[in-house]
Amino acid sequence: DQQVKQNSPSLSVQEGRISILNCDYTNSMFDYFLWYKKYPAEGPTFLISISSIKDKNEDGRFTVFLNKSAKHLSLHIVPSQPGDSAVYFCAAHLTYKYIFGTGTRLKVLA
Amino acid sequence: KAGVTQTPRYLIKTRGQQVTLSCSPISGHRSVSWYQQTPGQGLQFLFEYFSETQRNKGNFPGRFSGRQFSNSRSEMNVSTLELGDSALYLCASRVGEDGYTFGSGTRLTVV
Repeated sequence: DQQVKQNSPSLSVQEGRISILNCDYTNSMFDYFLWYKKYPAEGPTFLISISSIKDKNEDGRFTVFLNKSAKHLSLHIVPSQPGDSAVYFCAAHLTYKYIFGTGTRLKVLA
Repeated sequence: KAGVTQTPRYLIKTRGQQVTLSCSPISGHRSVSWYQQTPGQGLQFLFEYFSETQRNKGNFPGRFSGRQFSNSRSEMNVSTLELGDSALYLCASRVGEDGYTFGSGTRLTVV
């Protein structure tokens, strides 16, 4: 039972344009959500987070939106840069653990 | 400060063998979690340790076990290895309920 889903395995975006990565979840008890970025041969690195009591959080080029009624969150990257090319995981927090999605591979084309 | 350190980085084992992976968390981090990453499955939660106690456990068979020492270092053991255990094993540490800091992982290949 996949409680956190990233339905797009891959996404290609032109440099300078917006990248939108999506994540859906099923458990309304999740209280905290995060996005991680992962390069090959490295561990995931924390990108941005959002509490379930908020609907938006911004950090530079990265913005995360949370729609609790739809159980959906998204990560916007504006403008996209070639260095953003990586696998992005969303994760939801529930009682001492994070449940991760399967990841979306973002490729930013120069 | 030093990050999360996992050893070894790469490991090749034969079916039926056992393996022990090691993780040293960031200094001061008492919570250590282990995840398994396989293609198409994302990161699957194995277990979390806090102050030498297992606080939570994922849906993995009993062949997967772990422990944490008084200095917060953690080990993960997999016994009777199967081909399907080939994966990247990630360790992460954190303070409180903040997000994780991950290590670079141990790539285990079972042949």
